[in-house]
Amino acid sequence: KQEVTQIPAALSVPEGENLVLNCSFTDSAIYNLQWFRQDPGKGLTSLLLIQSSQREQTSGRLNASLDKSSGRSTLYIAASQPGDSATYLCAVRVYSGAGSYQLTFGKGTKLSVIP
Amino acid sequence: KAGVTQTPRYLIKTRGQQVTLSCSPISGHRSVSWYQQTPGQGLQFLFEYFSETQRNKGNFPGRFSGRQFSNSRSEMNVSTLELGDSALYLCASSTTGDDYNEQFFGPGTRLTVL
Repeated sequence: KQEVTQIPAALSVPEGENLVLNCSFTDSAIYNLQWFRQDPGKGLTSLLLIQSSQREQTSGRLNASLDKSSGRSTLYIAASQPGDSATYLCAVRVYSGAGSYQLTFGKGTKLSVIP
Repeated sequence: KAGVTQTPRYLIKTRGQQVTLSCSPISGHRSVSWYQQTPGQGLQFLFEYFSETQRNKGNFPGRFSGRQFSNSRSEMNVSTLELGDSALYLCASSTTGDDYNEQFFGPGTRLTVL
């Protein structure tokens, strides 16, 4: 059974710092990995999608890497801003049988960027 | 292009009642998945529908059910509500739901069971 772990559970940094969020998964048989952002009480916003054949993806100040063989992904946020404060979720897409695929999520890292 | 929409956004029910939540996927998307999010368990997969057929179901009791219509809109139903059903219910859509598809999430329905 696939398990996804995110460390740390919470992180507080001063504005302007670069930071790294970690995600690990137990089964390397994934199709892709997505990083999401969730603001309190809201839905999920997709930040980056990395297909299993890719090593990294970049969008603005965000860079996500994937090492499928070791079961790890990192999300790098450059020059953090107070508006980056949110919970960041990592999810892997796995095959669940009968032609169906599903996302398995980590519990998230709650990020606070202090002005 | 409009995103995934969910209605209602908030619901308050009492134990024993039943509830129906609705999800409209992005236009052209045929796969709809439902997830339950609670502080203790995080995000858990409920079920996935594609072309009006349930393709997959997570580890939830039979009180949780769903369906999909010919226009790809989906509903989920929870019968005989329990306090533990209080959660944020999220729906996600993708084009076909196949292996490399990206999923797009709606804003969620916050269900409170009293």
